[in-house]
Amino acid sequence: DGGITQSPKYLFRKEGQNVTLSCEQNLNHDAMYWYRQDPGQGLRLIYYSQIVNDFQKGDIAEGYSVSREKKESFPLTVTSAQKNPTAFYLCASSIVAWQPQHFGDGTRLSIL
Amino acid sequence: AQTVTQSQPEMSVQEAETVTLSCTYDTSESDYYLFWYKQPPSRQMILVIRQEAYKQQNATENRFSVNFQKAAKSFSLKISDSQLGDAAMYFCAYRSGEYGNKLVFGAGTILRVKS
Repeated sequence: DGGITQSPKYLFRKEGQNVTLSCEQNLNHDAMYWYRQDPGQGLRLIYYSQIVNDFQKGDIAEGYSVSREKKESFPLTVTSAQKNPTAFYLCASSIVAWQPQHFGDGTRLSIL
Repeated sequence: AQTVTQSQPEMSVQEAETVTLSCTYDTSESDYYLFWYKQPPSRQMILVIRQEAYKQQNATENRFSVNFQKAAKSFSLKISDSQLGDAAMYFCAYRSGEYGNKLVFGAGTILRVKS
């Protein structure tokens, strides 16, 4: 079945560490997105990519980095510069940028 | 910048009854799309319904329908014959124009369904 796979489901980070969240899709979608969700808030866009080897910052990109070397993969790195990384992270994709987005199951990141 | 406001943090409905979730938005654009997403306890985001701003007819998907009032910038979701499986967090979202690529989300409404 086609879908979006995020791994791991739970991730723990020590202070000063970089961690990478994985997002893979087999839907042949061109566009991919990363969102952050905090309690009591809606989703906020971190980064998005419309095509391979291209990506743009969203509303809260500081402290995060991404790459898009393959169509099916859009990993998100949470760097040590992100001072409040504890959140739920959701990856999404769409056929092209302006079509409805489909979401993965998310990764919960916590600080040890 | 566009904003989306959901003024009801929580709502409750009796099973088999109807409930309406409110959403208002602020934009200066005339071409945009509006969405309702459902997030059950599994945390996966599921698209419930979408509305194109240029369409006057309200979108409907089975038990889910919207009341789209463009002049008032209001986009409410009506759930008819509520079921236990409808219990979730519901998010209203906005996207600019035909080629817009960014979703702006409201803070969400928790819907509880009583048996």
